[in-house]
Amino acid sequence: DAKTTQPPSMDCAEGRAANLPCNHSTISGNEYVYWYRQIHSQGPQYIIHGLKNNETNEMASLIITEDRKSSTLILPHATLRDTAVYYCIVRATNTGTASKLTFGTGTRLQVTL
Amino acid sequence: AAGVIQSPRHLIKEKRETATLKCYPIPRHDTVYWYQQGPGQDPQFLISFYEKMQSDKGSIPDRFSAQQFSDYHSELNMSSLELGDSALYFCASSSSATGRSYNEQFFGPGTRLTVL
Repeated sequence: DAKTTQPPSMDCAEGRAANLPCNHSTISGNEYVYWYRQIHSQGPQYIIHGLKNNETNEMASLIITEDRKSSTLILPHATLRDTAVYYCIVRATNTGTASKLTFGTGTRLQVTL
Repeated sequence: AAGVIQSPRHLIKEKRETATLKCYPIPRHDTVYWYQQGPGQDPQFLISFYEKMQSDKGSIPDRFSAQQFSDYHSELNMSSLELGDSALYFCASSSSATGRSYNEQFFGPGTRLTVL
């Protein structure tokens, strides 16, 4: 799986958009970009994933650059409950196999009043 | 909605003892994963099972073993416990059925193991 690079920490004011960047310059054509988050000592939580098109769900938006070497997770209106460590994970998704998640160091997002 | 269930939630053991952690996946999920998260560390993959067969293996010590049963629940057995085994152990499950949820892993609340 491709290696990812994320800033170790970021701050965001409540109600503002949080934009979390991720570099994955060695991503392969069959590898997806996944985002998970972990709120203090809880189990990691899936947020969103994408291959090359931008994606949006009820939690967040994922913007992937055209060359796929980087992406940005956007939380449109951050709340205090979004304070967590956010992990960007790149991995291939193969039908019929149990594909592990390889967690890097992630970005610790602190949402403040 | 039903979530992944792990038991026990907390476990305290002495060095050289054994421990068994249990994981009950979301109904109709056929794939189970185990992860270990040491203090201040990021989760590390240990092992996974798909349809009761071992699918992938990470940095799991030889002292640990795991299996997935016919009802898809899984158990992680840990023997000759060491101080360094103190960690949060997460189980996750996913479904191989085609659709949006394939490979989206749903994590349980974890078992906190303390080895004294």
